[in-house]
Amino acid sequence: GAVVSQHPSWVICKSGTSVKIECRSLDFQATTMFWYRQFPKQSLMLMATSNEGSKATYEQGVEKDKFLINHASLTLSTLTVTSAHPEDSSFYICSARDTGAIYGYTFGSGTRLTVV
Amino acid sequence: KQEVTQIPAALSVPEGENLVLNCSFTDSAIYNLQWFRQDPGKGLTSLLLIQSSQREQTSGRLNASLDKSSGRSTLYIAASQPGDSATYLCAVRLAAKELVFGQGTRLTINP
Repeated sequence: GAVVSQHPSWVICKSGTSVKIECRSLDFQATTMFWYRQFPKQSLMLMATSNEGSKATYEQGVEKDKFLINHASLTLSTLTVTSAHPEDSSFYICSARDTGAIYGYTFGSGTRLTVV
Repeated sequence: KQEVTQIPAALSVPEGENLVLNCSFTDSAIYNLQWFRQDPGKGLTSLLLIQSSQREQTSGRLNASLDKSSGRSTLYIAASQPGDSATYLCAVRLAAKELVFGQGTRLTINP
Protein backbone atom coordinates (compact mmCIF):
# COMPACT_ATOMS: atom_id res chain seq x y z
CA GLY A 1 0.00 0.00 0.00
CA ALA A 2 0.88 3.65 -0.20
CA VAL A 3 3.43 4.80 2.37
CA VAL A 4 4.13 8.32 3.59
CA SER A 5 7.29 8.95 5.57
CA GLN A 6 7.50 11.94 7.90
CA HIS A 7 10.69 13.14 9.52
CA PRO A 8 11.64 13.91 12.23
CA SER A 9 9.26 12.10 14.55
CA TRP A 10 10.02 14.56 17.31
CA VAL A 11 12.03 17.73 17.72
CA ILE A 12 12.80 20.16 20.51
CA CYS A 13 13.92 23.64 19.59
CA LYS A 14 14.53 26.99 21.23
CA SER A 15 12.19 29.92 20.81
CA GLY A 16 13.07 32.02 17.79
CA THR A 17 14.61 29.22 15.76
CA SER A 18 13.14 27.54 12.68
CA VAL A 19 12.28 23.88 12.28
CA LYS A 20 11.78 21.96 9.05
CA ILE A 21 9.55 18.89 8.81
CA GLU A 22 9.71 16.61 5.76
CA CYS A 23 6.94 14.54 4.27
CA ARG A 24 7.77 12.00 1.57
CA SER A 25 5.60 9.68 -0.46
CA LEU A 26 7.72 6.56 -0.77
CA ASP A 27 6.07 4.48 -3.45
CA PHE A 28 3.80 6.87 -5.29
CA GLN A 29 3.74 10.38 -6.63
CA ALA A 30 1.65 12.97 -4.88
CA THR A 31 0.85 16.22 -6.62
CA THR A 32 -0.99 17.27 -3.51
CA MET A 33 -0.05 16.83 0.12
CA PHE A 34 -1.78 18.11 3.22
CA TRP A 35 -0.46 19.43 6.50
CA TYR A 36 -2.45 19.05 9.70
CA ARG A 37 -1.97 20.21 13.25
CA GLN A 38 -3.30 18.31 16.22
CA PHE A 39 -3.60 19.57 19.78
CA PRO A 40 -3.73 17.10 22.69
CA LYS A 41 -6.91 15.04 22.71
CA GLN A 42 -8.29 16.97 19.78
CA SER A 43 -8.86 16.10 16.17
CA LEU A 44 -6.79 17.10 13.18
CA MET A 45 -6.99 20.64 11.89
CA LEU A 46 -6.05 21.20 8.27
CA MET A 47 -3.41 23.89 8.01
CA ALA A 48 -2.62 23.96 4.32
CA THR A 49 -2.71 22.10 1.06
CA SER A 50 0.67 21.70 -0.60
CA ASN A 51 0.71 21.70 -4.39
CA GLU A 52 3.68 20.47 -6.36
CA GLY A 53 5.28 23.27 -8.31
CA SER A 54 2.98 26.00 -7.06
CA LYS A 55 2.09 27.92 -3.93
CA ALA A 56 0.41 26.22 -1.04
CA THR A 57 -3.18 26.98 -0.14
CA TYR A 58 -3.55 27.97 3.49
CA GLU A 59 -6.65 27.59 5.62
CA GLN A 60 -8.16 30.63 7.22
CA GLY A 61 -6.28 31.73 10.31
CA VAL A 62 -3.02 29.98 9.41
CA GLU A 63 -0.09 32.36 9.07
CA LYS A 64 1.64 31.87 5.73
CA ASP A 65 4.83 33.53 6.88
CA LYS A 66 5.07 31.40 10.00
CA PHE A 67 4.36 28.07 8.35
CA LEU A 68 6.31 27.93 5.10
CA ILE A 69 5.43 25.09 2.78
CA ASN A 70 7.50 23.92 -0.14
CA HIS A 71 6.48 21.13 -2.52
CA ALA A 72 9.39 21.01 -4.91
CA SER A 73 8.91 17.48 -6.20
CA LEU A 74 6.18 14.91 -6.64
CA THR A 75 7.39 12.99 -3.60
CA LEU A 76 8.45 15.65 -1.11
CA SER A 77 6.73 18.43 0.77
CA THR A 78 8.30 20.37 3.61
CA LEU A 79 6.79 22.46 6.38
CA THR A 80 9.06 25.00 8.04
CA VAL A 81 7.94 26.55 11.30
CA THR A 82 9.72 29.88 11.36
CA SER A 83 10.65 31.86 14.47
CA ALA A 84 9.05 29.20 16.61
CA HIS A 85 7.29 30.10 19.84
CA PRO A 86 6.07 27.84 22.65
CA GLU A 87 2.50 28.15 21.36
CA ASP A 88 3.65 26.46 18.15
CA SER A 89 4.30 23.31 20.15
CA SER A 90 1.99 20.69 18.73
CA PHE A 91 1.74 17.46 16.77
CA TYR A 92 2.05 18.00 13.02
CA ILE A 93 0.92 15.35 10.53
CA CYS A 94 1.15 15.27 6.78
CA SER A 95 -0.88 13.21 4.35
CA ALA A 96 -1.01 12.45 0.67
CA ARG A 97 -3.40 10.71 -1.64
CA ASP A 98 -2.33 8.10 -4.11
CA THR A 99 -4.74 8.79 -6.92
CA GLY A 100 -4.23 5.31 -8.31
CA ALA A 101 -5.00 3.49 -5.08
CA ILE A 102 -8.11 2.50 -3.24
CA TYR A 103 -6.63 3.42 0.09
CA GLY A 104 -7.75 7.00 0.18
CA TYR A 105 -5.47 9.25 2.14
CA THR A 106 -2.27 7.97 3.68
CA PHE A 107 -0.78 9.73 6.68
CA GLY A 108 2.72 10.18 7.96
CA SER A 109 3.63 9.13 11.48
CA GLY A 110 3.58 12.71 12.71
CA THR A 111 6.11 15.09 14.25
CA ARG A 112 5.95 16.18 17.86
CA LEU A 113 7.32 19.73 18.04
CA THR A 114 8.24 21.19 21.41
CA VAL A 115 9.43 24.79 21.54
CA VAL A 116 11.20 25.76 24.75
CA LYS B 1 -19.73 23.83 5.89
CA GLN B 2 -19.26 20.13 6.48
CA GLU B 3 -19.23 19.12 10.15
CA VAL B 4 -18.36 15.67 11.41
CA THR B 5 -19.39 14.46 14.86
CA GLN B 6 -18.35 11.29 16.61
CA ILE B 7 -20.20 9.73 19.51
CA PRO B 8 -19.21 8.74 22.12
CA ALA B 9 -16.10 10.79 22.80
CA ALA B 10 -14.73 7.99 24.95
CA LEU B 11 -15.69 4.38 25.48
CA SER B 12 -14.38 1.73 27.85
CA VAL B 13 -15.50 -1.89 27.54
CA PRO B 14 -14.34 -5.31 28.72
CA GLU B 15 -12.34 -7.48 26.40
CA GLY B 16 -14.40 -9.69 24.11
CA GLU B 17 -17.37 -7.36 23.71
CA ASN B 18 -18.70 -6.23 20.38
CA LEU B 19 -18.98 -2.46 20.05
CA VAL B 20 -20.16 0.27 17.72
CA LEU B 21 -18.65 3.68 17.12
CA ASN B 22 -20.77 6.36 15.51
CA CYS B 23 -19.98 9.10 13.06
CA SER B 24 -22.39 11.66 11.61
CA PHE B 25 -21.88 14.35 9.00
CA THR B 26 -24.00 17.31 7.95
CA ASP B 27 -23.47 17.38 4.18
CA SER B 28 -24.51 14.15 2.48
CA ALA B 29 -22.75 15.02 -0.78
CA ILE B 30 -19.61 13.20 0.19
CA TYR B 31 -17.09 11.52 -2.09
CA ASN B 32 -16.10 8.90 0.45
CA LEU B 33 -15.72 8.26 4.16
CA GLN B 34 -12.67 6.86 5.85
CA TRP B 35 -12.10 5.40 9.31
CA PHE B 36 -8.68 5.78 10.91
CA ARG B 37 -6.98 4.53 14.02
CA GLN B 38 -4.54 6.68 15.95
CA ASP B 39 -2.34 5.40 18.75
CA PRO B 40 -1.04 7.94 21.29
CA GLY B 41 1.64 10.16 19.78
CA LYS B 42 1.44 8.41 16.43
CA GLY B 43 0.12 9.11 12.99
CA LEU B 44 -3.07 7.76 11.47
CA THR B 45 -3.58 4.26 10.15
CA SER B 46 -6.33 3.81 7.60
CA LEU B 47 -8.77 1.09 8.57
CA LEU B 48 -11.58 1.22 6.06
CA LEU B 49 -12.57 3.40 3.14
CA ILE B 50 -16.16 3.50 1.93
CA GLN B 51 -16.92 5.11 -1.40
CA SER B 52 -20.13 7.13 -1.65
CA SER B 53 -21.72 4.39 -3.78
CA GLN B 54 -21.02 1.69 -1.21
CA ARG B 55 -23.01 0.70 1.87
CA GLU B 56 -20.33 -1.08 3.87
CA GLN B 57 -16.78 -2.37 3.98
CA THR B 58 -15.30 -5.18 6.03
CA SER B 59 -11.78 -5.96 7.13
CA GLY B 60 -11.25 -8.76 9.62
CA ARG B 61 -13.14 -7.93 12.81
CA LEU B 62 -14.02 -4.47 11.54
CA ASN B 63 -17.13 -3.54 9.62
CA ALA B 64 -18.00 -0.02 8.57
CA SER B 65 -21.36 1.02 7.21
CA LEU B 66 -22.41 4.16 5.41
CA ASP B 67 -25.86 5.71 5.11
CA LYS B 68 -25.31 8.80 3.03
CA SER B 69 -28.91 9.95 3.06
CA SER B 70 -29.01 10.13 6.84
CA GLY B 71 -25.43 11.34 7.13
CA ARG B 72 -24.24 8.48 9.30
CA SER B 73 -21.54 5.87 9.46
CA THR B 74 -20.82 3.21 12.05
CA LEU B 75 -17.70 1.24 12.80
CA TYR B 76 -18.43 -2.16 14.28
CA ILE B 77 -15.64 -3.95 16.12
CA ALA B 78 -16.26 -7.60 16.91
CA ALA B 79 -14.69 -9.51 19.78
CA SER B 80 -12.70 -6.54 21.02
CA GLN B 81 -9.13 -7.01 22.23
CA PRO B 82 -6.85 -4.85 24.40
CA GLY B 83 -4.81 -4.11 21.28
CA ASP B 84 -7.82 -2.35 19.82
CA SER B 85 -7.38 0.42 22.39
CA ALA B 86 -6.75 3.64 20.46
CA THR B 87 -8.52 6.73 19.19
CA TYR B 88 -10.74 6.10 16.20
CA LEU B 89 -11.33 8.94 13.78
CA CYS B 90 -13.76 9.16 10.93
CA ALA B 91 -13.26 11.59 8.09
CA VAL B 92 -15.36 12.51 5.10
CA ARG B 93 -14.16 13.79 1.79
CA LEU B 94 -16.20 16.08 -0.42
CA ALA B 95 -15.48 15.86 -4.12
CA ALA B 96 -12.12 17.44 -4.94
CA LYS B 97 -11.77 18.60 -1.36
CA GLU B 98 -9.66 17.70 1.61
CA LEU B 99 -10.75 15.47 4.47
CA VAL B 100 -12.90 16.77 7.31
CA PHE B 101 -12.33 14.91 10.57
CA GLY B 102 -14.50 14.15 13.53
CA GLN B 103 -13.18 14.66 17.03
CA GLY B 104 -12.56 10.97 17.51
CA THR B 105 -13.62 8.29 19.98
CA ARG B 106 -11.05 7.20 22.55
CA LEU B 107 -11.55 3.49 22.98
CA THR B 108 -10.20 1.48 25.91
CA ILE B 109 -10.53 -2.29 25.99
CA ASN B 110 -10.02 -3.66 29.50
CA PRO B 111 -8.42 -7.11 29.87
